[in-house]
Amino acid sequence: QQQVKQSPQSLIVQKGGIPIINCAYENTAFDYFPWYQQFPGKGPALLIAIRPDVSEKKEGRFTISFNKSAKQFSLHIMDSQPGDSATYFCAAIPQGGSEKLVFGKGTKLTVNP
Amino acid sequence: DAGVIQSPRHEVTEMGQEVTLRCKPISGHNSLFWYRQTMMRGLELLIYFNNNVPIDDSGMPEDRFSAKMPNASFSTLKIQPSEPRDSAVYFCASSYFNGGQGYTFGSGTRLTVV
Repeated sequence: QQQVKQSPQSLIVQKGGIPIINCAYENTAFDYFPWYQQFPGKGPALLIAIRPDVSEKKEGRFTISFNKSAKQFSLHIMDSQPGDSATYFCAAIPQGGSEKLVFGKGTKLTVNP
Repeated sequence: DAGVIQSPRHEVTEMGQEVTLRCKPISGHNSLFWYRQTMMRGLELLIYFNNNVPIDDSGMPEDRFSAKMPNASFSTLKIQPSEPRDSAVYFCASSYFNGGQGYTFGSGTRLTVV
């Protein structure tokens, strides 16, 4: 079964810190890797995404690093703020044109003031 | 655009009752997805449609669950009869197939079966 493994399950940092969330995939080739941010009572919202031909993508304070050979990708949040406190999901779409996003289990991030 | 609209936001029902969840996707999107979210299992894809046709329903847990998409602007997820273990947040999402832009999720329906 296609899987995306995400760690850690929860993460607490101080304001200004750089939380890092890691994901790894196995067995199946994927060709699109989005990250979603979910606030309590809301649906997940697309935050940033990357394709495997790129090793890094940066949007504002959010950066995705991608290691194709290791089948790993990670999200870094620079200068984290209390407003970044949310649950973050990594995801992947398999090659072959399927629209089925495979989600990681999520990381609950808390940024303390 | 108002985004993906789901109703109701909250539903409390008794075991054995029929529950119908509703979704209006973003206009122009041609793929629609139903997800279930629980603490234990995370986000699970139940079924998805492309151009109103069900493409993959392998995630539907059992025959008590059914989903329809009669037109491009409306979909329902029905549970009959409902059971306490169905309690979860149900999300609808839509996308433009092959747009590579990911999904847009609705705000979800929190279902509690007592």
